[in-house]
Amino acid sequence: EPEVTQTPSHQVTQMGQEVILRCVPISNHLYFYWYRQILGQKVEFLVSFYNNEISEKSEIFDDQFSVERPDGSNFTLKIRSTKLEDSAMYFCASSEASGRESYEQYFGPGTRLTVT
Amino acid sequence: AQSVTQLDSHVSVSEGTPVLLRCNYSSSYSPSLFWYVQHPNKGLQLLLKYTSAATLVKGINGFEAEFKKSETSFHLTKPSAHMSDAAEYFCVVSEYKLIFGTGTRLQVFP
Repeated sequence: EPEVTQTPSHQVTQMGQEVILRCVPISNHLYFYWYRQILGQKVEFLVSFYNNEISEKSEIFDDQFSVERPDGSNFTLKIRSTKLEDSAMYFCASSEASGRESYEQYFGPGTRLTVT
Repeated sequence: AQSVTQLDSHVSVSEGTPVLLRCNYSSSYSPSLFWYVQHPNKGLQLLLKYTSAATLVKGINGFEAEFKKSETSFHLTKPSAHMSDAAEYFCVVSEYKLIFGTGTRLQVFP
């Protein structure tokens, strides 16, 4: 069964450093998403991406964040200058289509980012 | 804006007894609703989804949920808990992006 994969599973970085989190969505999916879950809190939407551009972003997704689909398979989240409060589990998801009518989003296993 | 409220942060049951995880939603139109499960150190797995078809939705691992518009609820149930059901459960409403509830941690005791 196809699945979303994410690398690395755990990333430790120092405050102020840049990190890139990588995701390989399911191959025939067209919509891609990043969510994050700070320890003990709920999962929060960061950004959605379609046709090589951001379709929606939350207020969390400020200028420190960027997303890219550098080739036909990878989808990346970059944090330019990490802060302590960026420590969280970051989930990538993909779906065949989008809309209120329930196109299922398939989630990867997550990357745990620890900023020290 | 749509939102979901999970009424219990923790639920504890004995193995073999029924499970009820409560969720209420807020939506100005007919929502798409989901339950996701997260086992320790694992990703999010879809249990079931409601998309304006049948109001009683059956999912994986014996779980089901009933959409009740009059009560704005979408509670998750299972007739008989298994030890492997211990996990975090999230009620989710879809508005293109997914909006997650705060989660309910289910503990199952032998």
